Amino acid sequence: DAGVIQSPRHEVTEMGQEVTLRCKPISGHNSLFWYRQTMMRGLELLIYFNNNVPIDDSGMPEDRFSAKMPNASFSTLKIQPSEPRDSAVYFCASSPFGTDTQYFGPGTRLTVL
Amino acid sequence: QQQVKQSPQSLIVQKGGIPIINCAYENTAFDYFPWYQQFPGKGPALLIAIRPDVSEKKEGRFTISFNKSAKQFSLHIMDSQPGDSATYFCAASIAGGGADGLTFGKGTHLIIQP
Repeated sequence: DAGVIQSPRHEVTEMGQEVTLRCKPISGHNSLFWYRQTMMRGLELLIYFNNNVPIDDSGMPEDRFSAKMPNASFSTLKIQPSEPRDSAVYFCASSPFGTDTQYFGPGTRLTVL
Repeated sequence: QQQVKQSPQSLIVQKGGIPIINCAYENTAFDYFPWYQQFPGKGPALLIAIRPDVSEKKEGRFTISFNKSAKQFSLHIMDSQPGDSATYFCAASIAGGGADGLTFGKGTHLIIQP
């Protein structure tokens, strides 16, 4: 299996622009998680889905952040408008039903100038 | 509020030594405690995990010790090797890692010197 796929791997944008991060979970996994990693705050859970349904979005920092999972093989995390403090590495992870292990993707490094 | 506190932030150990990383949690509803290993430029990967019904779990050179009454758990790496140099994160969740998000510690940057 190819593992969790994230795109783009690197994104540089200017403040105020819309940013869309993409994730393809491992086939057959029914839970999907979005995390953000920064030096100051470490790894933080933003939102997670079970069977394409958002379960907990309490970690989403502001209304500027939104996430969707239109089907079992695709999810997006959108930031609109982006700000320099959004600069971080964003990870997507997936997990199969009935197990505890979360499999992380390689991450998207976002830089907002 | 930091629900999982991890220490130390960084650790340097000679090859063959036993690095120990400690974590403490606050939420007594947590019932799944994994450790993740992350290499530069990569996503975290599960190393070993424990549930509170046991006090110790060993997988290869990696051991988790768990103290439910103290709300603490630790990772020990036996016969450490330079290839173990990475950042290690402890984490916790309420419903298990597959059905619930993970709350991570801040991480420990481990260097094993040859």
